[in-house]
Amino acid sequence: EDQVTQSPEALRLQEGESSSLNCSYTVSGLRGLFWYRQDPGKGPEFLFTLYSAGEEKEKERLKATLTKKESFLHITAPKPEDSATYLCAVRTPGGYQKVTFGTGTKLQVIP
Amino acid sequence: GAVVSQHPSRVICKSGTSVKIECRSLDFQATTMFWYRQFPKKSLMLMATSNEGSKATYEQGVEKDKFLINHASLTLSTLTVTSAHPEDSSFYICSARDPAGGAIQETQYFGPGTRLLVL
Repeated sequence: EDQVTQSPEALRLQEGESSSLNCSYTVSGLRGLFWYRQDPGKGPEFLFTLYSAGEEKEKERLKATLTKKESFLHITAPKPEDSATYLCAVRTPGGYQKVTFGTGTKLQVIP
Repeated sequence: GAVVSQHPSRVICKSGTSVKIECRSLDFQATTMFWYRQFPKKSLMLMATSNEGSKATYEQGVEKDKFLINHASLTLSTLTVTSAHPEDSSFYICSARDPAGGAIQETQYFGPGTRLLVL
């Protein structure tokens, strides 16, 4: 069974304090790993898609990397507006391209 | 990125009534849409996959007669919660798959969600 585990569950950072969020996965044939940001009471907002080990993508203060077993979301010099829950999801082969989500990391950046 | 809308954003209804939630892809055609349910402080739970012009595929444990899904066009899918009860209260989110880039390079874009409260 496909599994996606995110750690830590919650992370509290001072503004400017860089850190990384982890997403470990066990899947039978990865067809894409996705990172989303979700604010309270809102739908997830797409951030990145990664497809192969060694791939990296960046957007402002965020950088996502991928290995064969895990992905990291690096946050450089975070700001309070980066506070949100970050969700990781993986897509595996299947007739309907099913996506499995992790439980998320709730990030709080304190001014 | 692609835009997905949901309507309504919030609905309160009495127990026993039915509620319809709409999900629209605004700037692309979505052959496949997904319906999720999210409990407080939990991740998204896939309820069903909706394919345009065919019957939806429901995940194990999701009652198809309770949660009716219709994907009548390439830009619209609807979820109807029939005979709603308080335990159906939740945050319902739809997503649409943007097929741009071929079969592998696909990303799901999410709607803003619908908060359902059944009294």
